[in-house]
Amino acid sequence: AQKITQTQPGMFVQEKEAVTLDCTYDTSDPSYGLFWYKQPSSGEMIFLIYQGSYDQQNATEGRYSLNFQKARKSANLVISASQLGDSAMYFCAMREAPGYGGSQGNLIFGKGTKLSVKP
Amino acid sequence: DVKVTQSSRYLVKRTGEKVFLECVQDMDHENMFWYRQDPGLGLRLIYFSYDVKMKEKGDIPEGYSVSREKKERFSLILESASTNQTSMYLCASSLGTSGTHYEQYFGPGTRLTVT
Repeated sequence: AQKITQTQPGMFVQEKEAVTLDCTYDTSDPSYGLFWYKQPSSGEMIFLIYQGSYDQQNATEGRYSLNFQKARKSANLVISASQLGDSAMYFCAMREAPGYGGSQGNLIFGKGTKLSVKP
Repeated sequence: DVKVTQSSRYLVKRTGEKVFLECVQDMDHENMFWYRQDPGLGLRLIYFSYDVKMKEKGDIPEGYSVSREKKERFSLILESASTNQTSMYLCASSLGTSGTHYEQYFGPGTRLTVT
């Protein structure tokens, strides 16, 4: 079974509008972390935001926020006021605590969502 | 500022050649990783290393080997390149292993074509 599911292969958003990228995860480990990365066409993966499973508040970093719904096992990325430079692939990833259920503590990535921002 | 560098951005090799992909990080990180990225498949872990001279297999180690002789350098080796190893290869490093907070820092990637 997939541990990280991103159901939107591609999305379009109008410049200056907000957009939500979906991510659901599957784990029985009570301790885990969720990450979002951005990959522009240049290829480099850029870390955006992190949410820990025990964090009480949703993470925010500038225009990025993470809508963390633990009971639903979802960790959607919200980008406010989209800019043309936001056009990129976005990857959701999860890290389980090392040793739990055989986990080696590595990042598990989803297949990504390609976001295109229209002017 | 954190930095992970990879020896080549683009590489073209012939089938059967031995290929070395080099990765260097300047952050004194313990952990280093090699991924390959293919369209529709996301990132898949090939090998990782938690310390010098230590290596662990990831999800798709077949056809690859690695070397970590120094803390800052992690090499991926294709012993005999094949066309199905044509891919984007990404190197990453991270600070720790305990806990869940340690994000990975990525290099710019090497796009390898095997003909």
